[in-house]
Amino acid sequence: QKEVEQDPGPLSVPEGAIVSLNCTYSNSAFQYFMWYRQYSRKGPELLMYTYSSGNKEDGRFTAQVDKSSKYISLFIRDSQPSDSATYLCAIDRGSTLGRLYFGRGTQLTVWP
Amino acid sequence: DVKVTQSSRYLVKRTGEKVFLECVQDMDHENMFWYRQDPGLGLRLIYFSYDVKMKEKGDIPEGYSVSREKKERFSLILESASTNQTSMYLCASSLKRWTEAFFGQGTRLTVV
Repeated sequence: QKEVEQDPGPLSVPEGAIVSLNCTYSNSAFQYFMWYRQYSRKGPELLMYTYSSGNKEDGRFTAQVDKSSKYISLFIRDSQPSDSATYLCAIDRGSTLGRLYFGRGTQLTVWP
Repeated sequence: DVKVTQSSRYLVKRTGEKVFLECVQDMDHENMFWYRQDPGLGLRLIYFSYDVKMKEKGDIPEGYSVSREKKERFSLILESASTNQTSMYLCASSLKRWTEAFFGQGTRLTVV
């Protein structure tokens, strides 16, 4: 079983839609949860970072962690064409070596 | 701004060649990582290093080696390139565990 699973999509929505991106993970020891955004032909860059359970909001983006069901989500409100990218969830198991476990990424297209 | 620089954006090599991919970071980060990214498979960790001259195998180390002689530089070596190593290679660095990983722009390697 993979450490983290993510539906690769693709996901295509109209401008202004609410987007929901999700990942599930297998190990309850995971404590740090991140979302990276990757534009075409670029490296990923950190979008949101949460520790343990709960929600975190940053502008139009909300990251949610439900540790009881091992489920993490990223919501994008009022989506824009500039949000078109691949979104990757990443999880830190809390080991001493700081490696991240990535989902496969979900490709999102927001059309005008 | 943190900068992770990969030596080449695009590289074409022949089967059997020894290939060096170089990565330099300018933020005095302890951890450095090499990933490959393939459609449908996401980011897969090849090797990582948490200190100079230290290295750890990731999930897919076969056919690769690494070198970290200086803190800021992490090299990925393909000992004898094969066509199944055609991929996007991404280098990343992070300050310590549980912190953001910063990615380079990627090297698209084609082995013919």
